[in-house]
Amino acid sequence: AQKVTQAQTEISVVEKEDVTLDCVYETRDTTYYLFWYKQPPSGELVFLIRRNSFDEQNEISGRYSWNFQKSTSSFNFTITASQVVDSAVYFCALSAPGNNNDMRFGAGTRLTVKP
Amino acid sequence: GAVVSQHPSWVICKSGTSVKIECRSLDFQATTMFWYRQFPKQSLMLMATSNEGSKATYEQGVEKDKFLINHASLTLSTLTVTSAHPEDSSFYICSASGGRAYNEQFFGPGTRLTVL
Repeated sequence: AQKVTQAQTEISVVEKEDVTLDCVYETRDTTYYLFWYKQPPSGELVFLIRRNSFDEQNEISGRYSWNFQKSTSSFNFTITASQVVDSAVYFCALSAPGNNNDMRFGAGTRLTVKP
Repeated sequence: GAVVSQHPSWVICKSGTSVKIECRSLDFQATTMFWYRQFPKQSLMLMATSNEGSKATYEQGVEKDKFLINHASLTLSTLTVTSAHPEDSSFYICSASGGRAYNEQFFGPGTRLTVL
């Protein structure tokens, strides 16, 4: 069975603060993919990153960075110097080719960045 | 990235009527399409998976006779909500994979259904 846990339901920060969104996953597959999506009020999912299970290298993209640690089954997402436009719901998700690529989403974390 | 469209983007209907939502892959052949439902302030829940030319596989608790899925071509899947009721009001999102996007899902913009 696959499961994604985002323990933080809501986070509120002040602009320019750094914020980390946690994601913990469970899977029996050895090959799997982890994702982060942003969902603004419009509802459309915005793809942020995809990471396969064999690549534990951390990634940085502008103000965004991701920390993938297989030892703790975590794939955390950090926004540096947050901005009001970062306010959205963020979803972590997991899929595995061995499971028909079904994607399982975490419950989501609602981030509010205040000016 | 690959592009997936949905139509309509929103729909309001009366209780008891049926509503059809279309999901199209615009620049790749989608051998597999997925349908998700998202209630307000909740996560996306997979409803069903459909492979082109075969019957859809529904998740536990999803009524296949109520949510009819057709995946007749490599670029189009449809979800029909039959005899819709207010509790079916939700945000429906499709995704597609296949071709060069074989191990990744590309999401449509979603359809907001409101049943009065």
